[in-house]
Amino acid sequence: QITLKESGPALVKPTQTLTLTCTFSGFSLTTNGVNVGWFRQPPGKALEWLALIYWDDDERYSPSLVRRLTVTKDTSKNQVVLTMTDMGPLDTGTYFCAHRFFFHDGTTSYPMGYDIWGQGTPVTVSS
Amino acid sequence: DIVMTQSPLSLPVTPGEPASISCRSSRSLLHSNGHNYVDWYLQKPGQSPQLLIYLGSNRASGVPDRFSGSGSGSDFTLKISRVETEDAGLYYCMQGLQTPHTFGGGTKVEI
Repeated sequence: QITLKESGPALVKPTQTLTLTCTFSGFSLTTNGVNVGWFRQPPGKALEWLALIYWDDDERYSPSLVRRLTVTKDTSKNQVVLTMTDMGPLDTGTYFCAHRFFFHDGTTSYPMGYDIWGQGTPVTVSS
Repeated sequence: DIVMTQSPLSLPVTPGEPASISCRSSRSLLHSNGHNYVDWYLQKPGQSPQLLIYLGSNRASGVPDRFSGSGSGSDFTLKISRVETEDAGLYYCMQGLQTPHTFGGGTKVEI
């Protein structure tokens, strides 16, 4: 059974750096085809994709946030860490991590969607 | 970035009746492998999103067969054949063709 759980500070001050950890079980980020993505959702607003890390260490970032985001993985701890610098009030929201897997049929790989999500962790940016 | 546009914003439905949500992308989501890289998610109040449909028309594990996805290219539809009270929530389409993955603005299904 795959599970993911986000953890980190509930309150950060403006200009500070946010560090969030996604601790997972039921899969390995060394397995071919596995990804973990990060998302956020401001209060009352739509979901926003932030970043993605692949089993092969490839990383992708939202272009609007690329200068502020870093995602890393610790496969020995089954964790993915997201850091976001220079936090501001507009960064307030709930942050989620989610599992995605590429199925390979022998010739092509297909993404199977973000099938398992963490419960989310709320972050408020305020002085 | 690929822009995803959903309609309607709000959808009042009656239990037992069908419902349909539309999603349009700013460019084709049809991959060279023949699959459309669009997913559908449901976020119930106070919960995390849950995957309903991937690659345009494939139901995720455990998703009731009253949910179906269709469409190709840049026009997609999520249909619920007979709405149940537990289907209330926010529905999002998302494109997974290229990063950044982008979501529609959401459709609130009210029962």
